Amino acid sequence: QLVESGGGWVQPGGSLRLSCVVSGFSFSNYGMNWVRQAPGKGLEWISYISSSGSSTFYADSLRGRFTISRDNAKKSVYLQVNSLRAEDTAVYHCASEFRGTPGYFGLDVWGPGTTVTVSS
Amino acid sequence: QSVLTQPPSVSAAPGQKVTISCSGSSSNIGNDYVSWYQQLPGTAPKLLIYGNNKRPSGIPDRFSGSKSGTSATLGITGLQTRDEADYYCGTWDSSRSAWVFGAGTKLTVL
Repeated sequence: QLVESGGGWVQPGGSLRLSCVVSGFSFSNYGMNWVRQAPGKGLEWISYISSSGSSTFYADSLRGRFTISRDNAKKSVYLQVNSLRAEDTAVYHCASEFRGTPGYFGLDVWGPGTTVTVSS
Repeated sequence: QSVLTQPPSVSAAPGQKVTISCSGSSSNIGNDYVSWYQQLPGTAPKLLIYGNNKRPSGIPDRFSGSKSGTSATLGITGLQTRDEADYYCGTWDSSRSAWVFGAGTKLTVL
């Protein structure tokens, strides 16, 4: 129901635009998140965008290099990642969130992820 | 360093019960809802518990969640070998306007 794409190998300092296409539920009613997982490590939340796209939040450590956006007509959410560093190497997942009371419903559906490798 | 604290690993025999703890603070777990995620090897995380103690459709009642103060607990009864996975707790930290997760707990079913 969620499928990410756009990952790959990139040199340090490079950029990528990750995409996540949604099917099977009413996309425009859901907030969306990006969460990454470095090799052998735990989950690291990156960013959230509200159902309308009017509100966005970012992890403090990543703010400025990462930009989340969405296109409800295309049922897609995007993550623009700039000035990539070796430590950005990870699997990047998108995850949906029905947001009534913030956090109540959790991140209910996750995509399999797209792999980003930053190396020279 | 993760905002939420989980034990790195737990283990138990098939058929037994195990609990996984998740400790936070008044700025996250103490004031927000906790969710739990199961990540089987090589797969994406899957929502197990939301709203502290609610199970999504399709999640067996062997899985349970609870919260008290600034800590939460995931319980798994009737352990099966297929339960071997990494388990993460998470919460929307309103003070940071951010999702925060524990570092994960690896469950081994001996």
